[in-house]
Amino acid sequence: SAVISQKPSRDICQRGTSLTIQCQVDSQVTMMFWYRQQPGQSLTLIATANQGSEATYESGFVIDKFPISRPNLTFSTLTVSNMSPEDSSIYLCSVAIGGNTEAFFGQGTRLTVV
Amino acid sequence: QQQVKQSPQSLIVQKGGISIINCAYENTAFDYFPWYQQFPGKGPALLIAIRPDVSEKKEGRFTISFNKSAKQFSLHIMDSQPGDSATYFCAASNRPSGYALNFGKGTSLLVTP
Repeated sequence: SAVISQKPSRDICQRGTSLTIQCQVDSQVTMMFWYRQQPGQSLTLIATANQGSEATYESGFVIDKFPISRPNLTFSTLTVSNMSPEDSSIYLCSVAIGGNTEAFFGQGTRLTVV
Repeated sequence: QQQVKQSPQSLIVQKGGISIINCAYENTAFDYFPWYQQFPGKGPALLIAIRPDVSEKKEGRFTISFNKSAKQFSLHIMDSQPGDSATYFCAASNRPSGYALNFGKGTSLLVTP
């Protein structure tokens, strides 16, 4: 398994500002993913982040809104830019191990935009 | 478009009973089907997973049944306990996507004493 630490665990932000979420893994991993879980909803993939390459974004998510960094094999950041109340969600970092099949999640960052 | 459809949305089971959650998918390219358990305020935790080359996988009280021809799979929780009360998500993925997960909408399970 993998131990994934996310910071911050929660935050309340003003609309129009940006928040950067950090994800630290206790082992080197190739594949890292960022998901969004809106209140009471399922998880939706935002983007896939591989070290040494640009993140790949899913339909409906763009780099200007959700820039991602992946500087090494144990760390990634997701920035939520120019926030609006609709961005209020839980943002989760995930890594894939075991031949890139088993995916493990951090505890998430609960974001509230006011 | 929801690639994985999950039912029921909520489920109430008495302690000791069997909890059954069903999922269906359309994309025949999916080759990995995990189930996740999520408690409030926590990230999803991998519970059990199956590949389409087997029809059933059992780990303790948790069993996945897989029907490739029907493109359906289900989670059975035997001898359900109050501590099993959580939200359960099925998911599907495949190698070309780097095993990024497509989740069902989730099932809120309540096991009553």
